[in-house]
Amino acid sequence: EAQVTQNPRYLITVTGKKLTVTCSQNMNHEYMSWYRQDPGLGLRQIYYSMNVEVTDKGDVPEGYKVSRKEKRNFPLILESPSPNQTSLYFCASAPRDRIGDTQYFGPGTRLTVL
Amino acid sequence: QQPVQSPQAVILREGEDAVINCSSSKALYSVHWYRQKHGEAPIFLMILLKGGEQKGHDKISASFNEKKQQSSLYLTASQLSYSGTYFCGTVTQGGSEKLVFGKGTKLTVNP
Repeated sequence: EAQVTQNPRYLITVTGKKLTVTCSQNMNHEYMSWYRQDPGLGLRQIYYSMNVEVTDKGDVPEGYKVSRKEKRNFPLILESPSPNQTSLYFCASAPRDRIGDTQYFGPGTRLTVL
Repeated sequence: QQPVQSPQAVILREGEDAVINCSSSKALYSVHWYRQKHGEAPIFLMILLKGGEQKGHDKISASFNEKKQQSSLYLTASQLSYSGTYFCGTVTQGGSEKLVFGKGTKLTVNP
């Protein structure tokens, strides 16, 4: 089944404890992206990647890191999480290296930072 | 620059029509429409590209006015399943592949 998977789905952690949220897609997509969703603010893009080893900042990259060493994986790293990073996170992928195509979203990761 | 969606919320009875608008202050390369049910992942509805190309579901229609940097999503003969929050996302001209979403329009369809 073609899909985008994220792990974990739920995570409660404490301030300053490094964490990684994994994202994987099995559709051989070029484009991958991370978003956070907060009430009243909609979806905001954190980072995106147009291909392996190519990443770029979205609108809210502060406090996050990403890497794209393989085409299928695009992990999101929070080196020192803070409470203002409590949010619902979505990973997405799209077939080509341009954003003129359908994005497929993962199921989401709900992160709480205490 | 985040696109502006209107209205923020709309309530319909089953079978009624609705229009959701999305506007940007910058020249656009593409407009994307997604629907999200509470707690679930956004689902693709349609993409409208500069130059007139469109990709999307047969039962969904939308327009893209490139000169005005505006797009509208048309929901006709609404069904209960149409309920959810609708987001437009925009990619501006100029080479960046950033997709910026609006704050959403909450649609409720009642029996």
